[in-house]
Order: sequence, then C-alpha cells, then structure tokens
Amino acid sequence: DVVMTQTPPSLSVAIGQSVSISCKSSQSLVYSDGKTYLHWLLQSPGQSPKLLIYQVSNLGSGVPDRFSGTGSQKDFTLKISRVEAEDLGVYYCVQATHFPWTFGGGTKLELK
Amino acid sequence: EVQLVESGGGLVQPGRSLKLSCAASGFTFSNYYMAWVRQAPKKGLEWVATISTSGSRTYYPDSVKGRFTISRDNAKSSLYLQMNSLKSEDTATYYCARRPLDYWGQGVMVTVSS
Repeated sequence: DVVMTQTPPSLSVAIGQSVSISCKSSQSLVYSDGKTYLHWLLQSPGQSPKLLIYQVSNLGSGVPDRFSGTGSQKDFTLKISRVEAEDLGVYYCVQATHFPWTFGGGTKLELK
Repeated sequence: EVQLVESGGGLVQPGRSLKLSCAASGFTFSNYYMAWVRQAPKKGLEWVATISTSGSRTYYPDSVKGRFTISRDNAKSSLYLQMNSLKSEDTATYYCARRPLDYWGQGVMVTVSS
C-alpha cells in the first residue's frame, strides 16, 4: 500500500499568515494515463470533508485562490496564503492513483 | 445542486450485518465512479470501497474485503454498502463520495457493539 506521510501534524497560525503543508508518498503517484491523482481535502469542525485541490494543483469548485497545490511524483505541498478563520480544521492529502486509496494522517490548523 | 444523502446507520452487534444507502441527486449518477470512506471517532479518513460507473468493477482495502460489498442502482441514482460480519473496529461515520472525492454526503454513524 502507498503510505502518505503528511507534515506537520498540527499548525498554529495567525489570521493573515501564510502556511504550507507537506505530503510525501512512498511511491510515485503518476498513473499510467500520465495524470497524478493526489488531492487535498479540508474537514472543518463537525463537517464532512471538502475537496480543495484535485490532481495536485487544480482548484476545486468554489475554492478561493488563496489555496494552491504544487508537487510531482512523490512530493506535494498545499499552500494557504493569508489564512482566514474559515480555513481552520483538518487538512488531508489523499492518493487515488493506486488501490487501496490512502490518506495522509491529517494536519490540524488552529488559530494562534 | 449535487447532493449525497446517506442512510441506514445505527447500532449493531458484532458479527451482524447492516446495509447503508446513499441517495444521489443533482448530477448524472451513472457517469461517475462512487466511493465509501469512513472515519472512526476522533481518527482520520479511511477509504472503504469504490465502484465503477456500471458496477462491473469494485475495489476494497484488505480491512473490509470479503465482508463489505459496494453496489449501485443507476436507475435509482443510489449507492449501497452491504456490511457483513461487522467488528468493533468498523465503528465509524461512513461517507459516500463522488470520485474524485469532490462531493461528500453528510455521513452516517455505524456503531458495532454488544
């Protein structure tokens, strides 16, 4: 199984600050079609997960452009520019290139 | 508006069965792979099953393979998860989601306990 290592496990930030979350996979996430099925999700407190970024760098529907995703092969990053209060929650990376799909352990974003 | 609404959760004894349903609306259900993802209390997310558009291909992790069965009825825009031989470690909130995980239901709680 592909192991997804997400760091840091938690972040304490001030509103307006920029932050980055890292996600590393144990093997390449490039599928045979050439696409990389690495996505980022946000689970706000008490809510279902919401898709932020799909296929490494594509913004989900209605997601503000303060969110951006970069990376390739085995190394990926989610960046949040100018954190707002609504961004608080747990962020997950997930790979859907290989079965079984696997999630990172999550990064909890809290207010400083 | 895309909506996914799960139902069928509850308290069940170890070794028993339960069937979850997910009613989809707001999109052409038959065009999308669908999935179930679960979250144990205070834990992270775990993928449970995926089914192809026609239902001919299904995928499971080892943790549920042979016990859980994902299925769909495209005429009814519905997704199902039949869970047999339930264990205490299956206790979780179960979400249905559209691939590529762009839409999720509100989740349904399954508690396996005697």
